[in-house]
Amino acid sequence: GENVEQHPSTLSVQEGDSAVIKCTYSDSASNYFPWYKQELGKRPQLIIDIRSNVGEKKDQRIAVTLNKTAKHFSLHITETQPEDSAVYFCAASKYDYKLSFGAGTTVTVRA
Amino acid sequence: NAGVTQTPKFQVLKTGQSMTLQCAQDMNHEYMSWYRQDPGMGLRLIHYSVGAGITDQGEVPNGYNVSRSTTEDFPLRLLSAAPSQTSVYFCASSSPGDAFQYFGPGTRLTVT
Repeated sequence: GENVEQHPSTLSVQEGDSAVIKCTYSDSASNYFPWYKQELGKRPQLIIDIRSNVGEKKDQRIAVTLNKTAKHFSLHITETQPEDSAVYFCAASKYDYKLSFGAGTTVTVRA
Repeated sequence: NAGVTQTPKFQVLKTGQSMTLQCAQDMNHEYMSWYRQDPGMGLRLIHYSVGAGITDQGEVPNGYNVSRSTTEDFPLRLLSAAPSQTSVYFCASSSPGDAFQYFGPGTRLTVT
């Protein structure tokens, strides 16, 4: 099955700086790569996603890049704010109903 | 729309007890899934369904059963609870062609 690795496991950044989280996947047939944000005690919420026919996608301060050849994708958060502090999960899928998740990155934004 | 709902929110079981975690969605989604979340391990797929009457195993199915008699409901049954099943359980739903998965609020289960 699909294996998704996520790095780093924890990330501390100064407010206003950028944060980058990287994921690799094993199944070259995977074609959908979402990113979820989870605040303490809450459900995962989709923040951005990308399909394999697109190399980059941006939504305000958040961007995702995909390198299909290398089988890795990354989340970039610019101008970080305290409300960006949360756990972020990457995932990969070749079927809409089966997501394989990374282990998560705990992001702390220092004021 | 209520979206995806789960009951109960919290549950404590003794080893060997059985119970059913309920999940319902009102978005007419064909696909529904159950995940468990453990510290440091992300979310892992337990079982999933691509439509009423159709279910299949995910990554960690042992000790769990599911059924899908209606489009709306996808209950998860723990047959004989074990401490290793202490976890937070999330149900999710989505539509064909739209991989966006809507997650329920979760059920926190403790097995003693």
